[in-house]
Amino acid sequence: EPEVTQTPSHQVTQMGQEVILRCVPISNHLYFYWYRQILGQKVEFLVSFYNNEISEKSEIFDDQFSVERPDGSNFTLKIRSTKLEDSAMYFCASRGARSPLHFGNGTRLTVT
Amino acid sequence: AQSVTQPDIHITVSEGASLELRCNYSYGATPYLFWYVQSPGQGLQLLLKYFSGDTLVQGIKGFEAEFKRSQSSFNLRKPSVHWSDAAEYFCAVGGTTDSWGKLQFGAGTQVVVTP
Repeated sequence: EPEVTQTPSHQVTQMGQEVILRCVPISNHLYFYWYRQILGQKVEFLVSFYNNEISEKSEIFDDQFSVERPDGSNFTLKIRSTKLEDSAMYFCASRGARSPLHFGNGTRLTVT
Repeated sequence: AQSVTQPDIHITVSEGASLELRCNYSYGATPYLFWYVQSPGQGLQLLLKYFSGDTLVQGIKGFEAEFKRSQSSFNLRKPSVHWSDAAEYFCAVGGTTDSWGKLQFGAGTQVVVTP
């Protein structure tokens, strides 16, 4: 069965550094998402992306965050200048039309 | 505003016993409802979904859930749990603008299975 793949599985970075989290969605999916889960908290929606543009974003998704689909297969989340509170598990997800989300295994981001 | 509540943070169940996980939602219209499971080190795997039709839905791994509009509930059940069912379970409701993809999750229920 096709999977959403995320790399790296764990990223450690220093505060103020830029990080890029990478995802390869399922190949025939058209809708792409990022979610995050801070330790001990709920899984939260960050952003959705369709037709090469952001469809919706949460209030968490401020100017420090950006998403990109640089080619036909990758979908990235960039955090421009990381803060301690950005430490979380970040999940990429994708779906087809009128179908549920498929999630990747996540990238654990640790900001020190 | 939408919300999802999973009242039980942690449940311990014996292998072979039945399991029921509770989920209550607050939503204005007919909701799109989902149950996901997360095993350690893994992503979120869809167990089942409901958006219309038969209120008893069957999912993978022997799970089922029942939508009860009168109680605003979507409880997950399994008649006989296996040790491999130990995981965290999340109930989620789809958003008004993107019912399939913009999900609001509950806090999760951690299930421990004892021999």
